[in-house]
Amino acid sequence: AQTVTQSQPEMSVQEAETVTLSCTYDTSESNYYLFWYKQPPSRQMILVIRQEAYKQQNATENRFSVNFQKAAKSFSLKISDSQLGDTAMYFCAFGEADSNYQLIWGAGTKLIIKP
Amino acid sequence: ETGVTQTPRHLVMGMTNKKSLKCEQHLGHNAMYWYKQSAKKPLELMFVYSLEERVENNSVPSRFSPECPNSSHLFLHLHTLQPEDSALYLCASSHAGGEATGELFFGEGSRLTVL
Repeated sequence: AQTVTQSQPEMSVQEAETVTLSCTYDTSESNYYLFWYKQPPSRQMILVIRQEAYKQQNATENRFSVNFQKAAKSFSLKISDSQLGDTAMYFCAFGEADSNYQLIWGAGTKLIIKP
Repeated sequence: ETGVTQTPRHLVMGMTNKKSLKCEQHLGHNAMYWYKQSAKKPLELMFVYSLEERVENNSVPSRFSPECPNSSHLFLHLHTLQPEDSALYLCASSHAGGEATGELFFGEGSRLTVL
């Protein structure tokens, strides 16, 4: 069965620093998608970034980028120039290309950006 | 209103009560989801409706009963709940067939406390 592991329950960094959140997954599939979602305190969960497994190029969205290592089954999220508004729970998720709605989620990493 | 709206935001109920959670989406999506979010645990998919038909039911106890009268509305009917059912219940929507390949849009959640 597929699993997603986020090994850092909580992290904190100073504003403007760069922080990397770790995510590893286990699957025997070759065609899948990986996601990072952000859940700010008492606010809606939103998609931060998405990576298709067949793409070798790492996805980037402004200050957010991923380091996708397919062979190692690793999918880390790097946040550059961190801002106070980045304080949130971050969830890594995995989905097979033909999964019919079943995403596998990690337990989340609580990220605190300190002023 | 835009996005995904959940009501009530907070609910306290006794074990013998009957209550309902409501979700409404204004995004033109045709798939809707109920997730259970407990602290320090991965999100648990409870129910999925696509084109108003239930397509996924992850062995959820019968004390939880979903209803999807149309593609914009989703309900979760609750009765004779247990204290361990206390959690944040998240509603999400997407284009049909899109959970693993597209983007989920979440509501802010309904915080349920069972006494």
